[in-house]
Amino acid sequence: SQTIHQWPATLVQPVGSPLSLECTVEGTSNPNLYWYRQAAGRGLQLLFYSVGIGQISSEVPQNLSASRPQDRQFILSSKKLLLSDSGFYLCACRDRELSPLHFGNGTRLTVT
Amino acid sequence: AQSVTQPDIHITVSEGASLELRCNYSYGATPYLFWYVQSPGQGLQLLLKYFSGDTLVQGIKGFEAEFKRSQSSFNLRKPSVHWSDAAEYFCAVGPYSGSARQLTFGSGTQLTVLP
Repeated sequence: SQTIHQWPATLVQPVGSPLSLECTVEGTSNPNLYWYRQAAGRGLQLLFYSVGIGQISSEVPQNLSASRPQDRQFILSSKKLLLSDSGFYLCACRDRELSPLHFGNGTRLTVT
Repeated sequence: AQSVTQPDIHITVSEGASLELRCNYSYGATPYLFWYVQSPGQGLQLLLKYFSGDTLVQGIKGFEAEFKRSQSSFNLRKPSVHWSDAAEYFCAVGPYSGSARQLTFGSGTQLTVLP
């Protein structure tokens, strides 16, 4: 089964600074990859998903972008962070049809 | 559009007591249903899933869920709760095929277990 690595685990960044969160997947090939955000006391919001290298679908207009430079690498970025970007970011993977989502351990981002 | 409602934001039970977490969904086709658990500061772990077959599905950690199509529900149950079950629980619904967009999650139910 696949393993999802996310780093860093926690991050504190000032407003206006750039962001790069990385997610890599082991144990599968050509997976669908996802970035979710979880705000305190709220459910999961899908931000981006990707069905292949260079293919990114955005779910929510925002200050963030995503890229997939390699098959098992998914990056979440921002040029200038906002306070509202604070939250818990989760990378997820789905390796084939009818398989459930598997999640990484997340990154806690605090924008100050 | 698909949606998931978890009516209970927070539930408190005593250790050893039974547990039922409610989940109601709205979905226009055959739903693919999931329950996930999240411990503080961690990612989500899959407890169980349902697509077809027996409407009572068994999952990990002693959990089970029952799919009731007539009630659009997929409630999670456990006969005897352990202190380690304290966590947040998420119900999700999605398509079984054809869409990479994947799941819609409920807003979660926080479970507290009293000693």
